[in-house]
Amino acid sequence: AQSVTQLGSHVSVSEGALVLLRCNYSSSVPPYLFWYVQYPNQGLQLLLKYTSAATLVKGINGFEAEFKKSETSFHLTKPSAHMSDAAEYFCAVRLEGGGNKLTFGTGTQLKVEL
Amino acid sequence: NAGVTQTPKFQVLKTGQSMTLQCAQDMNHNSMYWYRQDPGMGLRLIYYSASEGTTDKGEVPNGYNVSRLNKREFSLRLESAAPSQTSVYFCASSVRGGQPQHFGDGTRLSIL
Repeated sequence: AQSVTQLGSHVSVSEGALVLLRCNYSSSVPPYLFWYVQYPNQGLQLLLKYTSAATLVKGINGFEAEFKKSETSFHLTKPSAHMSDAAEYFCAVRLEGGGNKLTFGTGTQLKVEL
Repeated sequence: NAGVTQTPKFQVLKTGQSMTLQCAQDMNHNSMYWYRQDPGMGLRLIYYSASEGTTDKGEVPNGYNVSRLNKREFSLRLESAAPSQTSVYFCASSVRGGQPQHFGDGTRLSIL
């Protein structure tokens, strides 16, 4: 069965510092991987997705993620945090041919401090 | 430029009451979804509709029913609400199946 694990339910960084949010997946076949962002009292927004093309995926708002098969990881990064990046981030996985079965991680709350 | 609109935004029910959560999208998307979000559990798919007239069960369908009224609207009904259904409910849509692209702002439902 596919699953996804987000390490760290809360991450705090200083404004201007590197953002690194960790996501590891479990799948016996090549997966499709996604990152979503949720701002307070809003629905989720799709940040970026990996669908077996380039392993480095660029998304909106300066975020990017790298698919590493050997490490079964899909960590989300941003070189320089901004106050507006404070939100909850969800990693999700879907198997090719898996229909609409999107399995979400439990989320990482990102706090950005001055 | 509404995107996905959910009504109501908040609701408090008593155990055993019924209600329908409404969802409409104006992006001409084919696929629509209903998720519930609970603390520490991420989002879980309740029901999915690939296109008008079709619906499929997701991960946690028990206690819910859905109707894809037309291409724009996808409603979620709780026939007899239970405290375990206290949650935040999100409707989402996408051009086609696979993964949701656009979410509504959610309905916060409390069942006493």
